[in-house]
Amino acid sequence: EPEVTQTPSHQVTQMGQEVILRCVPISNHLYFYWYRQILGQKVEFLVSFYNNEISEKSEIFDDQFSVERPDGSNFTLKIRSTKLEDSAMYFCASRVDGRDQPQHFGDGTRLSIL
Amino acid sequence: QKEVEQNSGPLSVPEGAIASLNCTYSDRGSQSFFWYRQYSGKSPELIMFIYSNGDKEDGRFTAQLNKASQYVSLLIRDSQPSDSATYLCAVNSRSSASKIIFGSGTRLSIRP
Repeated sequence: EPEVTQTPSHQVTQMGQEVILRCVPISNHLYFYWYRQILGQKVEFLVSFYNNEISEKSEIFDDQFSVERPDGSNFTLKIRSTKLEDSAMYFCASRVDGRDQPQHFGDGTRLSIL
Repeated sequence: QKEVEQNSGPLSVPEGAIASLNCTYSDRGSQSFFWYRQYSGKSPELIMFIYSNGDKEDGRFTAQLNKASQYVSLLIRDSQPSDSATYLCAVNSRSSASKIIFGSGTRLSIRP
């Protein structure tokens, strides 16, 4: 069964450094998402991406965050200058066309900021 | 008022019994409802989704939706120890064509 793949599984970075999290969505999916989950807290929406542009972003997704689909398969989340509070699990998700279709999640990247 | 509310648990159910998980939501215009299972340290895994009032069954799982009461539930029949996980209720946002909003999850423990 097709799945969303994310790399790396664990990223350790010094505060203030840039980090790029990578995702390969399911091939026929058109909508792509990033969510994060701080340890012990709920899954929070960050950003959605469709037709090569951001369709919605949350208050968390400030100027330090950016997303890109550099080619036909990868979808990346960049954090420019990481903070301690960026430590979390970051999940990529994708879905097919159709507003009510479910989103399928990757295994996540655990980001640890030192 | 929280957008999606769930009892955090833990909910302890004996093996073989029915586990009942509940969720309420505040956005009356929400159209689609999802149940995800999340094992500790893992990603959310889609279990069920439902759009219409009533029941939807898939194997041991039944999702129930009551839009008038803004209530969605998940029943797990013949509970197994492998069902022990956190169950996340998620709802699409009427104001958005994109995101889904998650509840905090109910931790389910199946005791042998």
